[in-house]
Amino acid sequence: GENVEQHPSTLSVQEGDSAVIKCTYSDSASNYFPWYKQELGKGPQLIIDIRSNVGEKKDQRIAVTLNKTAKHFSLHITETQPEDSAVYFCAAKYYGNNRLAFGKGNQVVVIP
Amino acid sequence: DGGITQSPKYLFRKEGQNVTLSCEQNLNHDAMYWYRQDPGQGLRLIYYSQIVNDFQKGDIAEGYSVSREKKESFPLTVTSAQKNPTAFYLCASSTGDGYTFGSGTRLTVV
Repeated sequence: GENVEQHPSTLSVQEGDSAVIKCTYSDSASNYFPWYKQELGKGPQLIIDIRSNVGEKKDQRIAVTLNKTAKHFSLHITETQPEDSAVYFCAAKYYGNNRLAFGKGNQVVVIP
Repeated sequence: DGGITQSPKYLFRKEGQNVTLSCEQNLNHDAMYWYRQDPGQGLRLIYYSQIVNDFQKGDIAEGYSVSREKKESFPLTVTSAQKNPTAFYLCASSTGDGYTFGSGTRLTVV
């Protein structure tokens, strides 16, 4: 099955700087890659996703890039704010399988 | 508004007792999932159901049971056979690609 790894496990950034979280996946047939944000004590919320036919997608301060050749995708957060502090999960799914394979999560801390 | 509801938010039980966590969705999603989350462990899949009256074990099903008698409901029972039941439990549903998660139930067994 699909295996997803996230790096780094913890990331601290100064407010206003950019944060980048990278995930790698193992199954080249995977075609859907969502990112979730989980605030303390809450359930994960979908913040952005990308499909394998697209290389980059942006939504205001967040963006996701996909490199199918290297089998990795990254979350980019620009102009970070304290409310960006959370755990971020990446995931991957391949066509015909309804199950997402999740990474272990990254703790992002934005320092005011 | 459509969504997925988990109840209760906090649950306390004595060791040796079975306890059932509720998960209800009005999104008309076919698939539903239960995850367990421990600090530093990420999301671990307990059980999932692709369709009513059918469910499969996930990676850590031992000590848990589920039912899927209605499309909207996917309750999880934590049995006394689960050795370390204290955790944060998340329910999710899906109709295709992404999941919609509930707000979670924090179970504490004393």
